[in-house]
Amino acid sequence: LAKTTQPISMDSYEGQEVNITCSHNNIATNDYITWYQQFPSQGPRFIIQGYKTKVTNEVASLFIPADRKSSTLSLPRVSLSDTAVYYCLVGSNDYKLSFGAGTTVTVRA
Amino acid sequence: SQTIHQWPATLVQPVGSPLSLECTVEGTSNPNLYWYRQAAGRGLQLLFYSVGIGQISSEVPQNLSASRPQDRQFILSSKKLLLSDSGFYLCARGWGTDTQYFGPGTRLTVL
Repeated sequence: LAKTTQPISMDSYEGQEVNITCSHNNIATNDYITWYQQFPSQGPRFIIQGYKTKVTNEVASLFIPADRKSSTLSLPRVSLSDTAVYYCLVGSNDYKLSFGAGTTVTVRA
Repeated sequence: SQTIHQWPATLVQPVGSPLSLECTVEGTSNPNLYWYRQAAGRGLQLLFYSVGIGQISSEVPQNLSASRPQDRQFILSSKKLLLSDSGFYLCARGWGTDTQYFGPGTRLTVL
């Protein structure tokens, strides 16, 4: 499994854009990049997944450079309810996903 | 819909007592199922996964075990709980590159 590195915490204010970068230098050719969001006492929830370039959905955007050694999750105009832990995962069809400590994002009014 | 149920929601058990946590999945057949544990303030640790009835793979050797008696049922057990078994236990389903959907979790406190 490719190891990921992401910041431990980030602070932001309501209405700002939050960008969380994840490093995965050893990503394999078959690996996808997936981001999850977790609120306290709840299971993680899927946010977005990508393989290369840019992916956008109604919640976030995922930017992946050509070398795929990193990825950036972009949360546009965050609100207080976006305060959560965000996990970056890299994996393929080997049935196993490895969750790191994640990035704790705190949004303030 | 593909719903995951976990039972119980919370549990307080003395050290040395047995454990049985249940996970049931609706809306899909032959799902890949997973048990994770999350200690306070930490990430998720994969404990077991199962690709079918009776097929269990263990990721971390410990005093826990898992069983899959039915296609949509995944059970986590222990014969004797340790203090270090305290945590938030999550059941999930999904493939490696597909979205993993998580259940509501069981908060276990071992005293």
